[in-house]
Amino acid sequence: GESVGLHLPTLSVQEGDNSIINCAYSNSASDYFIWYKQESGKGPQFIIDIRSNMDKRQGQRVTVLLNKTVKHLSLQIAATQPGDSAVYFCAENAGNMLTFGGGTRLMVKP
Amino acid sequence: EAGVTQFPSHSVIEKGQTVTLRCDPISGHDNLYWYRRVMGKEIKFLLHFVKESKQDESGMPNNRFLAERTGGTYSTLKVQPAELEDSGVYFCASSQGLQLRQYFGPGTRLTVT
Repeated sequence: GESVGLHLPTLSVQEGDNSIINCAYSNSASDYFIWYKQESGKGPQFIIDIRSNMDKRQGQRVTVLLNKTVKHLSLQIAATQPGDSAVYFCAENAGNMLTFGGGTRLMVKP
Repeated sequence: EAGVTQFPSHSVIEKGQTVTLRCDPISGHDNLYWYRRVMGKEIKFLLHFVKESKQDESGMPNNRFLAERTGGTYSTLKVQPAELEDSGVYFCASSQGLQLRQYFGPGTRLTVT
């Protein structure tokens, strides 16, 4: 897949457990943040987003937390399933372009 | 509704050749973006179109890369002549109006040998 050659931190969780993926962003002026999931051979798929005037947003089985004080973003996945195995990217909006983090590989053990 | 599509999915060319990548955004999306990930690196922004106009091309690496979006619908990204370091995956994304959420295509894997 696209991540060959890219050393990614890996999070390994047991099926059914909750997962927390962390991300540090760099631009204190960023006002929009987004999480993507990328499976092998596919493009980044939108999961959830959040604006800087919020500190928490929930979706279906996913929650994004934003801490602007320390420029930290996290993605929580409840009851992790095998289909959640993928590489997860956070991205911040600077102007109209997205600046991506390096990604975290999530591996779900059955 | 069809998502963002890209063609080809894979391209293998020799150094010095020319390759043209195509992106069809989601219908009605005025904003079209090109990104790429080269080996071992993060996904990086290349440029942004609003309709047929280049809004921001600050990420284009050099003048061997030419992006067009004539008519404001699909876009092409031409690399001429290709170099080894151009190998990677090229992603296209689109968004609607003033919305910040960008939807990505599956990418084109370019291999320059």
